[in-house]
Amino acid sequence: DAMVIQNPRYQVTQFGKPVTLSCSQTLNHNVMYWYQQKSSQAPKLLFHYYDKDFNNEADTPDNFQSRRPNTSFCFLDIRSPGLGDAAMYLCATSASGGQLVAKNIQYFGAGTRLSVL
Amino acid sequence: GIQVEQSPPDLILQEGANSTLRCNFSDSVNNLQWFHQNPWGQLINLFYIPSGTKQNGRLSATTVATERYSLLYISSSQTTDSGVYFCAGRMIKAAGNKLTFGGGTRVLVKP
Repeated sequence: DAMVIQNPRYQVTQFGKPVTLSCSQTLNHNVMYWYQQKSSQAPKLLFHYYDKDFNNEADTPDNFQSRRPNTSFCFLDIRSPGLGDAAMYLCATSASGGQLVAKNIQYFGAGTRLSVL
Repeated sequence: GIQVEQSPPDLILQEGANSTLRCNFSDSVNNLQWFHQNPWGQLINLFYIPSGTKQNGRLSATTVATERYSLLYISSSQTTDSGVYFCAGRMIKAAGNKLTFGGGTRVLVKP
């Protein structure tokens, strides 16, 4: 089945130690998103890639970076994790632009739960 | 940006009961989606419903775009329906693909 896969499901890192979360998709969607979700809150968009174009949200801290080496993969890099960055990180994809069926419907991976010690 | 309000914030149901969840938008939206977040944190797509009514098993949804609200109906609830239900929409006037989420409705179905 086509899907969005996030690895790892659980990640523990130390305060200030860089960490990378990964997302891959077999849906061949051209848009990929990263959301942060803290406990009892709604997901909050950090940034998204529209094809190779990176779109950062205005309030996303510089500590968060992203890479998309190809259509299938997208990475979230946290350069110096703080205690406040402990959260669930959700990757999503959607088809947009010239693609037809299911336009702009976002599909989510299972998430990576990040703990910062 | 748009505001998305969901009600009620919390809902406790006895197994077998029916319920209605509501989502109000402050501005016109398209790409309206309903999600169920399970206890393990995954967001499961329930409906893509920018307008009209759809049904999928015991769940159905109705969006009245002109009045900027959407409803999610759960019938004959089961314990597996527990979790958080989110609605999210993309503002028609906005560029890009950003979905704005409501605060969610936390549902607990008791056996």
